[in-house]
Amino acid sequence: KAGVTQTPRYLIKTRGQQVTLSCSPISGHRSVSWYQQTPGQGLQFLFEYFSETQRNKGNFPGRFSGRQFSNSRSEMNVSTLELGDSALYLCASSLSRSSEGEKLFFGSGTQLSVL
Amino acid sequence: GDSVTQMEGPVTLSEEAFLTINCTYTATGYPSLFWYVQYPGEGLQLLLKATKADDKGSNKGFEATYRKETTSFHLEKGSVQVSDSAVYFCALVSGGYQKVTFGIGTKLQVIP
Repeated sequence: KAGVTQTPRYLIKTRGQQVTLSCSPISGHRSVSWYQQTPGQGLQFLFEYFSETQRNKGNFPGRFSGRQFSNSRSEMNVSTLELGDSALYLCASSLSRSSEGEKLFFGSGTQLSVL
Repeated sequence: GDSVTQMEGPVTLSEEAFLTINCTYTATGYPSLFWYVQYPGEGLQLLLKATKADDKGSNKGFEATYRKETTSFHLEKGSVQVSDSAVYFCALVSGGYQKVTFGIGTKLQVIP
């Protein structure tokens, strides 16, 4: 069974640009969540999608948005990039059958550098 | 809001030493608790979990017990190996399905 696939693996952008990151979950998984990982802040929850609907949202500005398609693939978009957006962006998928919190399967991430 | 506190490290141990990484949490309700591990250049992998008080999660020689009275979920291993070198994250889910709150991560270095 293929794992969670994130593309691209590395990305370099300049301030003010916008970027789109892609995540393909494990087959059969309907929940996709996104996290920003930085050395100083650790892992910060961005948002979670389930069956094309945003179910949870973290405390990030509106420049960060996402969506999920009918095949469960998800994209994350960041507009008007700032230097502080440089981070590793991780996507995770799960079956999400209960509210207890289930095992998350993570991709290897997209390393975004904003110059 | 929910929060998880753990030491950032790095923690440096000799091979076969005993490992403890402390984790305490603040959450509403009764959270599920997790330990994830991140090896260099990879995403996170679930190491173990516990969903209610006094549950013990275990995997690959690692153990952690859900202590509601002390709001803790400390990770332990009796004898670490060089291959255990990684970053370890304590995490919780509290009533929010897959909205996971992570600790800062503790870097473990095991030297031969």
